[in-house]
Amino acid sequence: EAQVTQNPRYLITVTGKKLTVTCSQNMNHEYMSWYRQDPGLGLRQIYYSMNVEVTDKGDVPEGYKVSRKEKRNFPLILESPSPNQTSLYFCASSLRGLDTEAFFGQGTRLTVV
Amino acid sequence: SQQGEEDPQALSIQEGENATMNCSYKTSINNLQWYRQNSGRGLVHLILIRSNEREKHSGRLRVTLDTSKKSSSLLITASRAADTASYFCATDSRSGGYQKVTFGTGTKLQVIP
Repeated sequence: EAQVTQNPRYLITVTGKKLTVTCSQNMNHEYMSWYRQDPGLGLRQIYYSMNVEVTDKGDVPEGYKVSRKEKRNFPLILESPSPNQTSLYFCASSLRGLDTEAFFGQGTRLTVV
Repeated sequence: SQQGEEDPQALSIQEGENATMNCSYKTSINNLQWYRQNSGRGLVHLILIRSNEREKHSGRLRVTLDTSKKSSSLLITASRAADTASYFCATDSRSGGYQKVTFGTGTKLQVIP
């Protein structure tokens, strides 16, 4: 089954404790991206990757890191999480970037206390 | 307002009625996409319309695009209770080598049985 898998689905952590949210897709898609969703603000793009070893900032990259060492995986790293990073996070992938539909993971609800 | 701003923010209709949602954007686009999100879950792609297209249909969905007004509309005909969800438009922006995606804040649709 074609899918984008994120883990964990729920996470509560403390300020400053490094964490990684994993994202994996099995569709051989080139384009992958991370979004955060906050009430009243919609989805905002954090980082995206157009292919292996090619990543770039979205609209809200501060406090986040990503890597794309293999085509299927695109982890999101919070080196020192802060409470303002409490949010619902989505990973998405698409075949050829913005000209094709995106498939979304089920989301990761992160709470930083 | 943001790139990809939906209107109205919320809409409540009776089952069987039509629902119309609008999206406005600010910069030139190559394509515009509509997505649906059931409460707290991942987004599901509905339809993609390219900048050289004016109208597109998919089942009970009809999307129009007016690039001169920088706006798009999504019409759901003969609505069903299962259409209850939030609907988002997404636009691409490309400059130099990057390809960012911008989502709007969404329209929350409630279809009353």
